[in-house]
Amino acid sequence: QSVLTQPPSASGTPGQRVIISCSGSSSNIGSNTVNWYQQLPGTAPKLLIYGNNQRPSGVPDRFSGSKSGTSASLAISGLQSEDEADYYCAAWDDSLNGLFVFGTGTKVTVL
Amino acid sequence: QITLKESGPTLVKPTQTLTLTCTFSGFSLITSGVGVGWIRQPPGKALEWLALLYWNDDKRYSPSLKSRLTITKDTSKNQVVLTMTNMDPVDTATYYCAHRLYDSGGFRFDFWGQGTLVTVSS
Repeated sequence: QSVLTQPPSASGTPGQRVIISCSGSSSNIGSNTVNWYQQLPGTAPKLLIYGNNQRPSGVPDRFSGSKSGTSASLAISGLQSEDEADYYCAAWDDSLNGLFVFGTGTKVTVL
Repeated sequence: QITLKESGPTLVKPTQTLTLTCTFSGFSLITSGVGVGWIRQPPGKALEWLALLYWNDDKRYSPSLKSRLTITKDTSKNQVVLTMTNMDPVDTATYYCAHRLYDSGGFRFDFWGQGTLVTVSS
């Protein structure tokens, strides 16, 4: 079950900026860093952002992340057709014995 | 480079036990800080974390599935095995294993296997 809440969908035209929100709690986003994963249709998830705002090598700088309190967001600037995918936020959660939690996922559509 | 690949049955019957193997290369599970996790995704649904195994054999499980899951490692074979008991049709999903990294950038699954679809049906 997903502990982090995301909007089910987001959309934009090529070149636009799209922002995806991720809402959590003090035990996950409030205490730990946030990851974002991109999942293209029919493929495994790919790490897009880690440490709230760090991009792994090879990830375009069109993708940026931020965090404030118990919420985080992913921004896609200069939206491109190849950005059409599902996006998931994730974080470690300190509750119970410790667990990893994913967001509910957001489908980004390029109009 | 780091690669991971999942293997196991594609079809299991209800009440059976599922055993999945993650075979990896490019890292060692005896290296301090390293971990391997399992994540699943039912068709059309969100990702769900299942279990995590650390280099020191410490383990973490999803609270909702803890009673059904066991994660183990065979360092000589570079494998991590996940077993899930009492399978049900709702457990039908693509199962992924992933390399876990933890450093100044925090916790993350930075490399993923391609996933294996497991269907639970009689």
